[in-house]
Amino acid sequence: DAKTTQPPSMDCAEGRAANLPCNHSTISGNEYVYWYRQIHSQGPQYIIHGLKNNETNEMASLIITEDRKSSTLILPHATLRDTAVYYCIVRVVVTGGGNKLTFGTGTQLKVEL
Amino acid sequence: DTAVSQTPKYLVTQMGNDKSIKCEQNLGHDTMYWYKQDSKKFLKIMFSYNNKELIINETVPNRFSPKSPDKAHLNLHINSLELGDSAVYFCASSQGHGNTGELFFGEGSRLTVL
Repeated sequence: DAKTTQPPSMDCAEGRAANLPCNHSTISGNEYVYWYRQIHSQGPQYIIHGLKNNETNEMASLIITEDRKSSTLILPHATLRDTAVYYCIVRVVVTGGGNKLTFGTGTQLKVEL
Repeated sequence: DTAVSQTPKYLVTQMGNDKSIKCEQNLGHDTMYWYKQDSKKFLKIMFSYNNKELIINETVPNRFSPKSPDKAHLNLHINSLELGDSAVYFCASSQGHGNTGELFFGEGSRLTVL
């Protein structure tokens, strides 16, 4: 599995963009980058994923570098409810079905007034 | 309607007891998972079932026995509980592989072994 490296914590002012970086220098060509978050005491929640191109959905944007060795999750207008641990994960497809997601330590994002 | 539901949400028990956690998903997915989150917040996969067949078993002690009676259910039975089994156990489901691979997680079952 390709490993990921994230800063342990980040702060962001409410209303500002939160940019969460992730390094995955050993990623292979067919592995996707996924982002999940875990709000305190809840189950992890899917945010977005991508392979090569930048992606955007109603929650966030994902910017992947051309060499695919790093990516950035962008929350365009962070709110207090975005305070959570954000996990950057490289997806491994298991033969026979299913996707093994290996969660690292993530980044604790704290959004403040 | 809850997509992935787990019961019980909280479980407190003594060492040596046997306990079960149940999981059900109403998303029509064919793959289900059990993850364990320990006190240090590391989230690790334990098992995965696809169409009732075991496809991932991550070196979990054989005191843990998952059972999938059908695609919508994946239960976790734990024998001879130990202190180190205290954790939050999350069930999840996905629609196989070859698509987005998005996992939908339940709210977790907090197991405390005394």
